Amino acid sequence: QVQLQQWGAGLLKPSETLSLTCAVSGESLSGYFWSWIRQPPGKGLEWIGEITHSGSTNYNPSLESRVTISIDTSNNQFSLRLSSVTAADTAVYYCARDGSGSYYPYYYYYYMDVWGKGATVTVSS
Amino acid sequence: SSELTQDPAVSVALGQTVRITCQGDRLKWNYASWYQQKPGQAPILVIYGRNNRPSGIPDRISGSSSEDTSSLTITGAQAEDEAAYYCNSRDSSGKHVVFGGGTKLTVL
Repeated sequence: QVQLQQWGAGLLKPSETLSLTCAVSGESLSGYFWSWIRQPPGKGLEWIGEITHSGSTNYNPSLESRVTISIDTSNNQFSLRLSSVTAADTAVYYCARDGSGSYYPYYYYYYMDVWGKGATVTVSS
Repeated sequence: SSELTQDPAVSVALGQTVRITCQGDRLKWNYASWYQQKPGQAPILVIYGRNNRPSGIPDRISGSSSEDTSSLTITGAQAEDEAAYYCNSRDSSGKHVVFGGGTKLTVL
């Protein structure tokens, strides 16, 4: 059974860098995309970005200038760094495994089938 | 447009059927996936692809699609179905992921 365990600093000051790690157990990183998603208090889900086992990344254009997602295949984990945080970055941060598929002739689907429990990050002076 | 639009809130009487929709141009070529999130918990995947349910998801939950709209239907809603439901898909570039704003389902 695939499990994702997250950890990282929970309280940051404005301008600091958020750093979270997600360890994957029960599955290799190969063959999947791995995503970070966040949810501000009382609000909806926001995709932050994703990474493949080979290190290819895609980022949310609204966060791209501040986000770095990296992967450590030797320890089967991936990480998120978000620089210059403000109060608007206060949220629960989730990691997740991505999947995708297609139907002939040109229909596609995408999903996130395994999620971490979430890590609360608060930015406050 | 890369946006996915959901109604903010929907209610259903216990045992009745409810449909939650997700609308977006991208859904003409993509099937949305659906996630259930209860307060204080991580989202869980309930529907993906044409109408696929992960293991453990009851068959009263189903998915469908028409034109630019994907739908999640709960047939015979139970109290435990009360939750927020989110749809998502890749955007038109294929490189980014978008979520709908979420629908809060209340079971009366």
